[in-house]
Amino acid sequence: QSVLTQPPSVSGAPGQRVTISCTGTNSNIGAAYDVHWYQQISGRAPKLLIFTNNNRPSGVPDRFSASKSGTSASLTVVGLRAEDEATYYCQSYDSGLSGVLFGGGTQLVVL
Amino acid sequence: QGQLVESGGGVVQPGKSLRLSCAASRFNFLNFGMHWVRQAPGKGLDWVAVISFDGSEKYYSDSVKGRFTISRDNSNNTLYLHLTSLTSEDSAVYFCAKGRTIYAPQYYGMDVWGQGTRVTVSS
Repeated sequence: QSVLTQPPSVSGAPGQRVTISCTGTNSNIGAAYDVHWYQQISGRAPKLLIFTNNNRPSGVPDRFSASKSGTSASLTVVGLRAEDEATYYCQSYDSGLSGVLFGGGTQLVVL
Repeated sequence: QGQLVESGGGVVQPGKSLRLSCAASRFNFLNFGMHWVRQAPGKGLDWVAVISFDGSEKYYSDSVKGRFTISRDNSNNTLYLHLTSLTSEDSAVYFCAKGRTIYAPQYYGMDVWGQGTRVTVSS
């Protein structure tokens, strides 16, 4: 079980909005370490979606946004599209483990 | 943006060793920290190790500490992962990933990923 907890799955219809949560502790997100988000489409390599809490690399649509508060972070997707169907991972650093952490991943299903 | 190509995976017996390579191109390799991340079949991403831009700092996950060694050759733009004392728990696709920054790559995310190389530990 990952120290960063994500729901196993979320779903939404095309055009709708979904939010994926990432719950950490005071040794990672709560200690002000940056949170990053990755998108992994089935069978492919992960892709950086959001870095340093709420920054999008070039080429990532502004339909994707993220936030962080206390020991939690969240990723929001608005205007859902079929191509958004993928698994999404949050990632941070943990001072207790002295290492990088990934959340367990959330599968986004576009209905 | 950069390109990473992993190689060296395969089927290996428990207890044996393997060396993975990651060839980097289209970015200034010696200016960035680098990571290895693995993914067991049907499972999530599992961070393995990170190395600083100059190789002076290395950090490992508890699950591989003492068994795996990360290294780099900046003259050949190549990242390595030496895996020893392998068990079935190490079977996974191993990805190399570029850190976003020159300093403290463990904090700032990974912006370029390779396609991965598969390691299967089986007798």
